[in-house]
Amino acid sequence: ETGVTQTPRHLVMGMTNKKSLKCEQHLGHNAMYWYKQSAKKPLELMFVYNFKEQTENNSVPSRFSPECPNSSHLFLHLHTLQPEDSALYLCASSQVDRTAPLHFGNGTRLTVT
Amino acid sequence: GENVEQHPSTLSVQEGDSAVIKCTYSDSASNYFPWYKQELGKGPQLIIDIRSNVGEKKDQRIAVTLNKTAKHFSLHITETQPEDSAVYFCAASKSNFGNEKLTFGTGTRLTIIP
Repeated sequence: ETGVTQTPRHLVMGMTNKKSLKCEQHLGHNAMYWYKQSAKKPLELMFVYNFKEQTENNSVPSRFSPECPNSSHLFLHLHTLQPEDSALYLCASSQVDRTAPLHFGNGTRLTVT
Repeated sequence: GENVEQHPSTLSVQEGDSAVIKCTYSDSASNYFPWYKQELGKGPQLIIDIRSNVGEKKDQRIAVTLNKTAKHFSLHITETQPEDSAVYFCAASKSNFGNEKLTFGTGTRLTIIP
């Protein structure tokens, strides 16, 4: 049990579908993150929320839309994705402390067909 | 921005031997260097970190060394065991920016041969 739970674990969607990824953390953290993990590439930070406020958006296409209703929950809404968006999407949380460890969930494996 | 290079991309060692993974970084202002371990089907997990005010840090069988002059840092695993098989990621950031500017390496897949 990592303390950060992601659902679903696997998702296959067509390019015209709309789906959402969900993340919940039970660690009392105040910062939450979405990362994209592709083969042979570094982890890519997509979005950061501190105390429910978005503080980073690393030039992510608008077909990815994050939502953070409270400090424990984070969503990533997906629409009109491209095949190159297929990847493992990882959610993480941490204390707001600048170098607090990231606690990752086990990820959602997304396949866009 | 920061660039982190990690070598090797794959590494196989006999059980009981030592493993060394090396990373270089480009931004001399970086001062926080964590290492994450990712087991199959799981997310990465922090295993050790080092800050630029020290040159070495140990935690049981794992150690990290930092050479600020050369801008490189290394992970050392001694007496390797099967459960050490995983993908290891190094990362670098400036502590005043922290996780928001954490740059990861591309990972090393370590396989321990029984």
